[in-house]
Amino acid sequence: ETGVTQSPTHLIKTRGQQVTLRCSSQSGHNTVSWYQQALGQGPQFIFQYYREEENGRGNFPPRFSGLQFPNYSSELNVNALELDDSALYLCASSLGEGGYGYTFGSGTRLTVV
Amino acid sequence: GNSVTQMEGPVTLSEEAFLTINCTYTATGYPSLFWYVQYPGEGLQLLLKATKADDKGSNKGFEATYRKETTSFHLEKGSVQVSDSAVYFCALGSGYSTLTFGKGTMLLVSP
Repeated sequence: ETGVTQSPTHLIKTRGQQVTLRCSSQSGHNTVSWYQQALGQGPQFIFQYYREEENGRGNFPPRFSGLQFPNYSSELNVNALELDDSALYLCASSLGEGGYGYTFGSGTRLTVV
Repeated sequence: GNSVTQMEGPVTLSEEAFLTINCTYTATGYPSLFWYVQYPGEGLQLLLKATKADDKGSNKGFEATYRKETTSFHLEKGSVQVSDSAVYFCALGSGYSTLTFGKGTMLLVSP
């Protein structure tokens, strides 16, 4: 059974650029959630996808967007990067729309300069 | 809205000492409560959970009891090891299966 895989592990971008982060969910999981973890803080919920539809969103602006594919893998896209977007981005997958049986990936460390 | 407050760290202990990390929460309804652990350079791992009042979650010697009357979910371990050094996050879950995390508490255990 494979876990959650995220790529890339590290990324450096310039302010104003766009970035795409990728996540392969654990085998058999059909729900993917994304979290942003700023340095020294707890993770904050960005959004969740279930069966390719967004079904929950946290307090993040529209320049944060996502996709879920038929194989349940997912992308997080961030446009017009700002310095405050520098953080660890965590992907978590689970089975079903409800419940909290998450498996977290190791994250992508994004640095915006 | 939902929120979680954890004691600030770092918590520094000697091996075999007793551990308590305090966690209190604010939420509407009846949330589920969790403790996650994050080792350096890694993602989050679920340590234990409780889904209703008075439930006790336990795993690897760690325990936490869901106390609705005090809105608390304190993490305890009777005898910590060096390998327990990590950052511990208290979290609550409600609606859409989303999690609200505290800021985390770093635990440092010395031999």
